[in-house]
Amino acid sequence: GIQVEQSPPDLILQEGANSTLRCNFSDSVNNLQWFHQNPWGQLINLFYIPSGTKQNGRLSATTVATERYSLLYISSSQTTDSGVYFCAVGNTGTASKLTFGTGTRLQVTL
Amino acid sequence: NAGVTQTPKFRILKIGQSMTLQCTQDMNHNYMYWYRQDPGMGLKLIYYSVGAGITDKGEVPNGYNVSRSTTEDFPLRLELAAPSQTSVYFCASSPRTGDRNTIYFGEGSWLTVV
Repeated sequence: GIQVEQSPPDLILQEGANSTLRCNFSDSVNNLQWFHQNPWGQLINLFYIPSGTKQNGRLSATTVATERYSLLYISSSQTTDSGVYFCAVGNTGTASKLTFGTGTRLQVTL
Repeated sequence: NAGVTQTPKFRILKIGQSMTLQCTQDMNHNYMYWYRQDPGMGLKLIYYSVGAGITDKGEVPNGYNVSRSTTEDFPLRLELAAPSQTSVYFCASSPRTGDRNTIYFGEGSWLTVV
């Protein structure tokens, strides 16, 4: 199956700082999603981005499918951005049968 | 709009007991999934369904069973619970295909087997 590696595993930022999270994957994909898991365990979908670039407020993501990586950018971080960020990929024709990375744990401090 | 609803939220089971985790979605999504998340890890797919009456195994199906009698409901059955099934379980759903293939998760069910 597809291997998904995320880096860095842990990240501590001061409020207001910017960060870049990386997701590398081992095979071609037709489905890539970024999620935020908050400290209460809730999983929120941030982006569906199998290729290209998307932006949503302070967050943006870029996937370069030919080079098998995706980046998640967080600008002007806030304490509410704390949690674990997961990249998940899939390469089947139907359904979101996703393989998850082990995540980047982000802590934003005052 | 409730989205994906899971029950129960917390449960303690004794080894060998059985139970069913309930999941329902009100978004009329064709696809539904059950994932488990072990501490410090990402999620792993247990079972999924592409529509009523159709289910298939994911990466870690052993010890579990599912059914999909309606579009809305996708219960997960644990038979003969084992300590290795201590985990957080997430039900999810997604639209059919294409750019709207975003997956939506329930709030999770914390299960401990003792």
